[in-house]
Amino acid sequence: DQQVKQNSPSLSVQEGRISILNCDYTNSMFDYFLWYKKYPAEGPTFLISISSIKDKNEDGRFTVFLNKSAKHLSLHIVPSQPGDSAVYFCAASANAGNNRKLIWGLGTSLAVNP
Amino acid sequence: KAGVTQTPRYLIKTRGQQVTLSCSPISGHRSVSWYQQTPGQGLQFLFEYFSETQRNKGNFPGRFSGRQFSNSRSEMNVSTLELGDSALYLCASSFLTGYMNTEAFFGQGTRLTVV
Repeated sequence: DQQVKQNSPSLSVQEGRISILNCDYTNSMFDYFLWYKKYPAEGPTFLISISSIKDKNEDGRFTVFLNKSAKHLSLHIVPSQPGDSAVYFCAASANAGNNRKLIWGLGTSLAVNP
Repeated sequence: KAGVTQTPRYLIKTRGQQVTLSCSPISGHRSVSWYQQTPGQGLQFLFEYFSETQRNKGNFPGRFSGRQFSNSRSEMNVSTLELGDSALYLCASSFLTGYMNTEAFFGQGTRLTVV
C-alpha cells in the first residue's frame, strides 16, 4: 500500500519551461515532506523540504507547494534546465513517538529537452 | 567534509550465498538508514540504526539484517541470497533521528547482482 504516490512515472518538458512534479499522500499524520533528486549511478540528493505548517517553500528555481486538504504536494522547477534531468523522489515523514522514518514515492523521471 | 561512503560499489553473488555491505556515515552523524532500490518498487526502507540500536524496521524478511558500530559505521547483511535481491542498496546518514530535520545524505550505493 503506497502511502506516498507519484502517479507520473515520467515527464518531458522543454528547456526554459516549467516542470511540475506531483505527489499525493494518504497518511494525514505526515507533517514533513521532502524532494530528492537522483542521477543514474548516484544516491539521491536532498533538494527542498516543507513542513505541514507551511503551504509553500521556495529555493531558487525550485518551489514546493503543499495542499493539506487535498493531501497533495508539487514541485515546480522554473525555468527547467537540461541538468535537471533526473529521477525526482517525494518523501514524507510523521512523528511516531521519538522515531521518524521517511516514506518514499516511486519517483518521476524528468527529461528536460534542449 | 567527506560524504557517505558505501563499499563495495558493485557486487556479483550467486543464489544461496550471503553478502555484507558497508556504510560509513558523514562524520558526526549517528543515524544510518538502509534502502533497497529496484526499478519497480522505488526506494524501500530496510532499517535505521541510531547509536548502535535499531530504531526502525521496514517490511523485509529476516534474511536482511544490519548492525551499527560505536563509530556509527553500519553493515547490512543479506543471507541466502535470492535472484530478487538484485538491487541498488543505498545507505543514508543524518544527524538526528526522531526530529523534524530528517534530511538524509545518501551514499552512491552498492549495486548487488544475484545470479
